[in-house]
Amino acid sequence: NAGVTQTPKFHILKTGQSMTLQCAQDMNHGYMSWYRQDPGMGLRLIYYSAAAGTTDKEVPNGYNVSRLNTEDFPLRLVSAAPSQTSVYLCASFNRIGPYEQYFGPGTRLTVT
Amino acid sequence: KNQVEQSPQSLIILEGKNCTLQCNYTVSPFSNLRWYKQDTGRGPVSLTIMTFSENTKSNGRYTATLDADTKQSSLHITASQLSDSASYICVVSSQTGANNLFFGTGTRLTVIP
Repeated sequence: NAGVTQTPKFHILKTGQSMTLQCAQDMNHGYMSWYRQDPGMGLRLIYYSAAAGTTDKEVPNGYNVSRLNTEDFPLRLVSAAPSQTSVYLCASFNRIGPYEQYFGPGTRLTVT
Repeated sequence: KNQVEQSPQSLIILEGKNCTLQCNYTVSPFSNLRWYKQDTGRGPVSLTIMTFSENTKSNGRYTATLDADTKQSSLHITASQLSDSASYICVVSSQTGANNLFFGTGTRLTVIP
């Protein structure tokens, strides 16, 4: 198993540009989540999906997400802002206990 | 307010020495507590998961303890190695589901030769 994979590893965007961060898992997990990690702060949840075809109803401004199948959970930055500069971590876990989360290696995104 | 606080923020120890990292939480109702290790440039990797009824769990040289009454947990690392240099993150879950996890800010451990 590859586990949770993310691409790209690094990216630089200009303010106003858009891009999609890719995340995929091969463990047949129902839940998938996106977090951002900033220095001095704990991981903050951006989005989660409980199953293919579902996403959290509360969508933070500036982000978009889709869950068309079990494996893939892309995160789209619609019009990037410097405040979105962060490390983005994708995670997945099973609905059967102990609900251990498996994280991807992260995407370091800089918005200039 | 549900919070997870870790101490110290950073720690430097000599290779071969032991150390203990602390995690205090106010999350309620409590479901489980997890410790993760995050190497620089990598995603967090789970070390231990403890439920309410468990007060200690080991994973090799890592031993986690949990006192659900005082809402405290510790991670003890024995005979530290250079590869233990990483951030250690305490995560508390209040119930099943992806939106009920509370993350500490982590302890940055550096092991020096």
